[in-house]
Amino acid sequence: GNSVTQMEGPVTLSEEAFLTINCTYTATGYPSLFWYVQYPGEGLQLLLKATKADDKGSNKGFEATYRKETTSFHLEKGSVQVSDSAVYFCALSGNYGGATNKLIFGTGTLLAVQP
Amino acid sequence: KAGVTQTPRYLIKTRGQQVTLSCSPISGHRSVSWYQQTPGQGLQFLFEYFSETQRNKGNFPGRFSGRQFSNSRSEMNVSTLELGDSALYLCASSLDLRSFYGYTFGSGTRLTVV
Repeated sequence: GNSVTQMEGPVTLSEEAFLTINCTYTATGYPSLFWYVQYPGEGLQLLLKATKADDKGSNKGFEATYRKETTSFHLEKGSVQVSDSAVYFCALSGNYGGATNKLIFGTGTLLAVQP
Repeated sequence: KAGVTQTPRYLIKTRGQQVTLSCSPISGHRSVSWYQQTPGQGLQFLFEYFSETQRNKGNFPGRFSGRQFSNSRSEMNVSTLELGDSALYLCASSLDLRSFYGYTFGSGTRLTVV
């Protein structure tokens, strides 16, 4: 079945450091891929998405490229801020021909950015 | 425009009771899904509704049920609560069932069972 594997956290960085959070997936067909972020005490916010191979999703300085050859969707940011501290979830939604939006999530990666 | 609204935000219930959670999707969104989030199991899919029909169901016992109304608002119900049902319950809405849209999530209902 479909699955998502994320790197274990927590990831602790100093402000302005480079961030990479690894995400790989297993899926049949051509899934859509997403990164969601969850701040303490809140729900999930869609950070970025990519719907086909080689697409690059980007938002708020974060980027991720849909790599079908390596089945990966790694999240990157060139210079993190304290305000980026949160839990990041990689997720996929299989291409079911419009039959479902069901998301499969990774376990989440806690990012802590220190001033 | 208003986001996904979940009520109540916090709830404390006793084992054996039942509970109903409510979700109002973004205006115009017809797909509503529910997820359970716990520290041990992470984010798990409960069910998905579209046009008042359950389209997909996760691997949860029959004590968990839901429905969607004609205005796309949704409710989920958990009967005979167990301690293990303590979790953050997240509702999410999307325009329709095409997966590339992604979801917009609400802030969740934090359920504590004592």
